Amino acid sequence: GNSVTQMEGPVTLSEEAFLTINCTYTATGYPSLFWYVQYPGEGLQLLLKATKADDKGSNKGFEATYRKETTSFHLEKGSVQVSDSAVYFCALSEYNFNKFYFGSGTKLNVKP
Amino acid sequence: GAVVSQHPSWVICKSGTSVKIECRSLDFQATTMFWYRQFPKQSLMLMATSNEGSKATYEQGVEKDKFLINHASLTLSTLTVTSAHPEDSSFYICSALGGEGQETQYFGPGTRLLVL
Repeated sequence: GNSVTQMEGPVTLSEEAFLTINCTYTATGYPSLFWYVQYPGEGLQLLLKATKADDKGSNKGFEATYRKETTSFHLEKGSVQVSDSAVYFCALSEYNFNKFYFGSGTKLNVKP
Repeated sequence: GAVVSQHPSWVICKSGTSVKIECRSLDFQATTMFWYRQFPKQSLMLMATSNEGSKATYEQGVEKDKFLINHASLTLSTLTVTSAHPEDSSFYICSALGGEGQETQYFGPGTRLLVL
């Protein structure tokens, strides 16, 4: 079956530190992969996506590369800001996009 | 673009009453919408997939008679929590499938329901 596993949080970093949030997946086919971000009190927002192996999604300084060989889609940012404090969800969808599978979410706290 | 709204943003109701939550895609048409429930500090639990003009597909363990979903147009899906009880208190989030290739979910801001 399909599933997504994320590293447990919370992750606490100082401003300008390097961020990595690990995400691995299990899929029966060739899924598309997503990172969503949820700021306090808000719904989820699409952060970035990749639809095939070796694709790199990027947005707002965040990056993630679709690695089929390691079934991973780790989220990275070179220098985090306090405003990046949020919960980050990794997700995959099957080829027909009729169902999405979400990881458990990783809370990021960035301290000034 | 690709904005999804939900109404109301939060609601308090008495036990035994019904509550309707609306989910609208504001600038695109959405054949498929999803309803999730999010518990504190937990991930999203998919409740059902709503397809315009047809019956919703419910996930295992979700009572379809309790959580009524209607997707009557390409921009509106509604979730009605019937005979709500305190254990139904939660954060309900909808999303609509859109974007190039209809492959991205766009989420509403969520509706917080508190049943007294």
